Amino acid sequence: EDKVVQSPLSLVVHEGDTVTLNCSYEVTNFRSLLWYKQEKKAPTFLFMLTSSGIEKKSGRLSSILDKKELFSILNITATQTGDSAVYLCAGAMDSSYKLIFGSGTRLLVRP
Amino acid sequence: ETGVTQSPTHLIKTRGQQVTLRCSSQSGHNTVSWYQQALGQGPQFIFQYYREEENGRGNFPPRFSGLQFPNYSSELNVNALELDDSALYLCASSPGAYNSPLHFGNGTRLTVT
Repeated sequence: EDKVVQSPLSLVVHEGDTVTLNCSYEVTNFRSLLWYKQEKKAPTFLFMLTSSGIEKKSGRLSSILDKKELFSILNITATQTGDSAVYLCAGAMDSSYKLIFGSGTRLLVRP
Repeated sequence: ETGVTQSPTHLIKTRGQQVTLRCSSQSGHNTVSWYQQALGQGPQFIFQYYREEENGRGNFPPRFSGLQFPNYSSELNVNALELDDSALYLCASSPGAYNSPLHFGNGTRLTVT
């Protein structure tokens, strides 16, 4: 059965801290790994990773995929209160729009 | 560029009733997917539509059905509502290429009492 597991389930840090969110996956005909940020309702797209070992970066956020170990991490440096959200990881299958989501990591950044 | 819009934002229904949720896809996107997100969980895939045809379905019973219209907007219909159907229903659109990420709407919060 296809599954995506995220850890930790929740995390509380202080502004300025660096956090690492983890995502492991078992997805049939795996094509790519996606990260989304969900603050209130709509998940907003962060990264799509297709190739192993190539880091994607956007400001203070970065992510990398390990296709051998079936694993991805999302790093956030110098966290801000606006980073507080649920971070969702999802596996995409080849020739399909279906995404298999994990349960998310709830991040709370305290001032 | 108009994003994905969903209506209504909130809805309260009674067990056994039927509900229709609506979604307008982002401009230029011809593929629509629907997801159900229970509280504290990640979204679960219901089905997707491409050019008015269903071309993928998750593990949901037949009382969950949908439509896509020529303008690529979509409806999700749920019959014989159950308490466990209470969730956030998310619509997502894509420009039709498998390597493009999905863009989500704000969802419809359905409460079944």
